[in-house]
Amino acid sequence: DTEVTQTPKHLVMGMTNKKSLKCEQHMGHRAMYWYKQKAKKPPELMFVYSYEKLSINESVPSRFSPECPNSSLLNLHLHALQPEDSALYLCASSQLGAGDTEAFFGQGTRLTVV
Amino acid sequence: GIQVEQSPPDLILQEGANSTLRCNFSDSVNNLQWFHQNPWGQLINLFYIPSGTKQNGRLSATTVATERYSLLYISSSQTTDSGVYFCAVVYNNNDMRFGAGTRLTVKP
Repeated sequence: DTEVTQTPKHLVMGMTNKKSLKCEQHMGHRAMYWYKQKAKKPPELMFVYSYEKLSINESVPSRFSPECPNSSLLNLHLHALQPEDSALYLCASSQLGAGDTEAFFGQGTRLTVV
Repeated sequence: GIQVEQSPPDLILQEGANSTLRCNFSDSVNNLQWFHQNPWGQLINLFYIPSGTKQNGRLSATTVATERYSLLYISSSQTTDSGVYFCAVVYNNNDMRFGAGTRLTVKP
């Protein structure tokens, strides 16, 4: 099973709302990633968790708050977003260390901020 | 940080034609992958190829890590091959960065 599951698939939220995106994998991967993708652009790295610890934060605004409660789950908490934050949010996971470190992506959450 | 450059940015082919997509990267990498993004945004794994050559049906890929480039070959292209092809590299073990992509259009 090489599945990474993201929920919800679509989300519309107001600028004063608080919402969360969820990502789950059961491949035993120890690295999990959040990417943001705007239309006609490549995915941009936001955060990386390695062994459930935040290892990379690409200077993302604090209105995006990641959380890795265990090795299978990754959340992205959203509050006070701006319309320019509307994008496709992609989660990925991969193994760490020597050997096969192929990454797999979820289907994404298409977020619209109104 | 590492630079990942893909070429060409856009490619239009007639069905049945062959094509070569290129990915250049500026530093040593732990891993390199090719993805195809479908119209719904799903990134589909094509190849995990940190070095060497792999083939899967009409697609094949070659990575020459010492010269910091990878090539994706598509033979006998079909309209269903249309979409965006991304190269992604991993360096420092867990930092995965994408190139800008090649947008392929295959016309019937």
